[in-house]
Amino acid sequence: EDQVTQSPEALRLQEGESSSLNCSYTVSGLRGLFWYRQDPGKGPEFLFTLYSAGEEKEKERLKATLTKKESFLHITAPKPEDSATYLCAETGSQGNLIFGKGTKLSVKP
Amino acid sequence: DAGVIQSPRHEVTEMGQEVTLRCKPISGHDYLFWYRQTMMRGLELLIYFNNNVPIDDSGMPEDRFSAKMPNASFSTLKIQPSEPRDSAVYFCASSFGVGYEQYFGPGTRLTVT
Repeated sequence: EDQVTQSPEALRLQEGESSSLNCSYTVSGLRGLFWYRQDPGKGPEFLFTLYSAGEEKEKERLKATLTKKESFLHITAPKPEDSATYLCAETGSQGNLIFGKGTKLSVKP
Repeated sequence: DAGVIQSPRHEVTEMGQEVTLRCKPISGHDYLFWYRQTMMRGLELLIYFNNNVPIDDSGMPEDRFSAKMPNASFSTLKIQPSEPRDSAVYFCASSFGVGYEQYFGPGTRLTVT
């Protein structure tokens, strides 16, 4: 069964304290790895798509990387406004997206 | 573009009542997805459409759930009769195709008492 696992479930950082979120997947033949940000009471907001091992994408303080079995979302010098739940998803065998349960990030000033 | 539009944003109903959730996808997107999000199970795919045709409804939990897409700009998700365990946030999303990023609406928070 296709599965996406994210860790940690929750992460508390001080402002400026860099860290990484992990997403591991089991689907063979990766057709796309997606990162989303979700704020409370809102729908997931698309951040990045990665298609092949070694690929990297950046947006402000966020950088997503991809290996053959996992993806990382690196957060450099985070600010309180980066606090949110970050969701990882993979394209399943049916073409749908399979989501992990997310990492809830809290950044304290 | 206004993005994916969902209505209502909040719905409170009593057990046994019929509930209809509505979605307008982004213009030009040919895939539409319905998801349900709960704390316990996270984000689950219920059903998705391609060019208004249902492709995979294996995630629909029971026969009480049904979804339609009468045209490219409108879809409904209906629950009849509703039960307390249906309480969740329901999201609609659309995309250009399989394997492409999906854009989500703001969701409908459903509470069944």
